[in-house]
Amino acid sequence: GAGVSQSPSNKVTEKGKDVELRCDPISGHTALYWYRQSLGQGLEFLIYFQGNSAPDKSGLPSDRFSAERTGGSVSTLTIQRTQQEDSAVYLCASSNRLAGHNEQFFGPGTRLTVL
Amino acid sequence: AQSVAQPEDQVNVAEGNPLTVKCTYSVSGNPYLFWYVQYPNRGLQFLLKYITGDNLVKGSYGFEAEFNKSQTSFHLKKPSALVSDSALYFCAVRDRRDDKIIFGKGTRLHILP
Repeated sequence: GAGVSQSPSNKVTEKGKDVELRCDPISGHTALYWYRQSLGQGLEFLIYFQGNSAPDKSGLPSDRFSAERTGGSVSTLTIQRTQQEDSAVYLCASSNRLAGHNEQFFGPGTRLTVL
Repeated sequence: AQSVAQPEDQVNVAEGNPLTVKCTYSVSGNPYLFWYVQYPNRGLQFLLKYITGDNLVKGSYGFEAEFNKSQTSFHLKKPSALVSDSALYFCAVRDRRDDKIIFGKGTRLHILP
């Protein structure tokens, strides 16, 4: 497909379990971002990757959160020992700054519910 | 570190009236500024951006925004609101020195028929 895809679209898990959320960016986009959208909290920056540079992890809320990007393409956001406050929609976006396209293209998100 | 403020959680406007959604920003260097819209049960869509040049930027669906450096603002405007403009609007800023993009908390726009 031409857009950013995320999987799963919905994830329900029990408190204490680990979850993995996947993002497939637009082919050729060098930058990839993860955000969290909670009710009333807007879009919270989590982490971004740019090419082969070290990722900016400054938005990760705790050490239970981690992300990797393999081969400069697909990214996985992992949340360990999930807590109820982790419930949110997790959004992925990609952009191609090197081509002069500064705007981000967003995926549909993964809705995470921690019971 | 950059930041964005959207001072209004919600804005109500009658259909046909002009609308303004406010955004102010803080960034160390020169900013890139963006507006995105999120319709119910849909992903975020890009509306417009300010990179350089003209302070008045025109975007999708008849929206425009004015970059005001002295007031560090980038308010979103439309001359005549439509009911279909009802959605959640996000302002975002990027420092030109890196790729980190920070979003505001969003403003819910209600256009009343």
